Amino acid sequence: AQKITQTQPGMFVQEKEAVTLDCTYDTSDQSYGLFWYKQPSSGEMIFLIYQGSYDEQNATEGRYSLNFQKARKSANLVISASQLGDSAMYFCAMREPETGANNLFFGTGTRLTVIP
Amino acid sequence: EAGVTQFPSHSVIEKGQTVTLRCDPISGHDNLYWYRRVMGKEIKFLLHFVKESKQDESGMPNNRFLAERTGGTYSTLKVQPAELEDSGVYFCASSQEWGDYGYTFGSGTRLTVV
Repeated sequence: AQKITQTQPGMFVQEKEAVTLDCTYDTSDQSYGLFWYKQPSSGEMIFLIYQGSYDEQNATEGRYSLNFQKARKSANLVISASQLGDSAMYFCAMREPETGANNLFFGTGTRLTVIP
Repeated sequence: EAGVTQFPSHSVIEKGQTVTLRCDPISGHDNLYWYRRVMGKEIKFLLHFVKESKQDESGMPNNRFLAERTGGTYSTLKVQPAELEDSGVYFCASSQEWGDYGYTFGSGTRLTVV
C-alpha cells in the first residue's frame, strides 16, 4: 500500500493567492515525521517544512504552513501569498523511525504553477 | 558550507553499458542516502550508509546495482549492465545525525538508458 498519497498531479494558483497541496499518509506507528520538499526546474530538492507526529501545533515556516490533521492522516501544505518562484514540483514525505529505518517515503508529487 | 554534490547531472547510455554515479555529501555528514525517481512515480529509497557501512539496502532493486562509500566520504552507485527501466533521476541526500530530520538533497543525476 502507498504510504504517501498526493492526489493532485497539477495545481494552478494566481499570484498572491494561497494554495493548498494535499497529502495523506498511511502508518500504524505512533511516532513519525512528515516533510515537504520543493523541487524547482533546476532539480535540487529543497526542504520546506517538518511536522512531528507528537507536535501539537501545526508547523509554520514563513509563507509555508502544514495543516496537520492526525485523525484524518493528512498533512497538507499551505502556501500563502504565492509567488512566481513557487512554481515547482512539491513532494510530501514521511519517516517512520519506529521501524529502525531512517529513510523517507515519498508521494508522486504535485506540480504547482503560479499564474501572473 | 557546500551542499550535496552529484555528478554527472545527466547521463545517456545504451542498454547493457555501465554507468557510475557519484555523490559527495556535506562534509561531516555520516549518513548518506540514495533515492531514485522513475518518471511519473514516487521517489523511492535505495539505500542508506552510515559512514562506510551499509545500514539499510532494502530498496536496492537488484544485483545490477552496486553502491560503495569509500572511507565514509563520497559514494558511488554503479549500474551494470544498465536496463531501460533503470532510467530516472537518482538523488543523493545526507544528514549529520541518525534521526536528524534535516536531510539535504543533491540536484540529482538524470539517467537515460536507450
